[in-house]
Amino acid sequence: SAVISQKPSRDICQRGTSLTIQCQVDSQVTMMFWYRQQPGQSLTLIATANQGSEATYESGFVIDKFPISRPNLTFSTLTVSNMSPEDSSIYLCSVEVADTYNEQFFGPGTRLTVL
Amino acid sequence: RKEVEQDPGPFNVPEGATVAFNCTYSNSASQSFFWYRQDCRKEPKLLMSVYSSGNEDGRFTAQLNRASQYISLLIRDSKLSDSATYLCVVTVNTGFQKLVFGTGTRLLVSP
Repeated sequence: SAVISQKPSRDICQRGTSLTIQCQVDSQVTMMFWYRQQPGQSLTLIATANQGSEATYESGFVIDKFPISRPNLTFSTLTVSNMSPEDSSIYLCSVEVADTYNEQFFGPGTRLTVL
Repeated sequence: RKEVEQDPGPFNVPEGATVAFNCTYSNSASQSFFWYRQDCRKEPKLLMSVYSSGNEDGRFTAQLNRASQYISLLIRDSKLSDSATYLCVVTVNTGFQKLVFGTGTRLLVSP
């Protein structure tokens, strides 16, 4: 597995502002993912962040709203831009560990509340 | 039709009971299958991968039926600490193996 940390663990933000979430892994990984889990819902993939290439976004998510950086094999950031109350959610990063059959391990999540 | 369907529960069982969760998936090309466990206000944690031959890990047994596109999880001798939401997860090939999550089945084990 992998040890994954996220910052911040939670935040309360005003609408119209932006928040950048950091994800740090204790080992080098090729594939990192960002998910959203809205209250009472399951996880939805926002985008895949691979080092050395642009992030790939899922349907319904766009780069202008959720810009992602992946500067190296152990770190990624997700920015939630121009926030509205509908962005209140838990944001989780995950990694796929080499030599596993598509197993992903998750960070502890960032709980975001937008007022 | 949802890509992954689960009974949301909750399943309320006494300690020591055996409980089974079922899950169906719609994409016949799915290659990998998992059960994750998610405690309240925590991240999902991998419980076990599910193989065609079935697999067992202590009190937990997972089965896969590719023909019926059906996955199951059996928990024997339930413990209070088993109380959590169990997420059925399958992969879908979109250029990489994307994880698709079910909505989860909530289990409450009582004394």
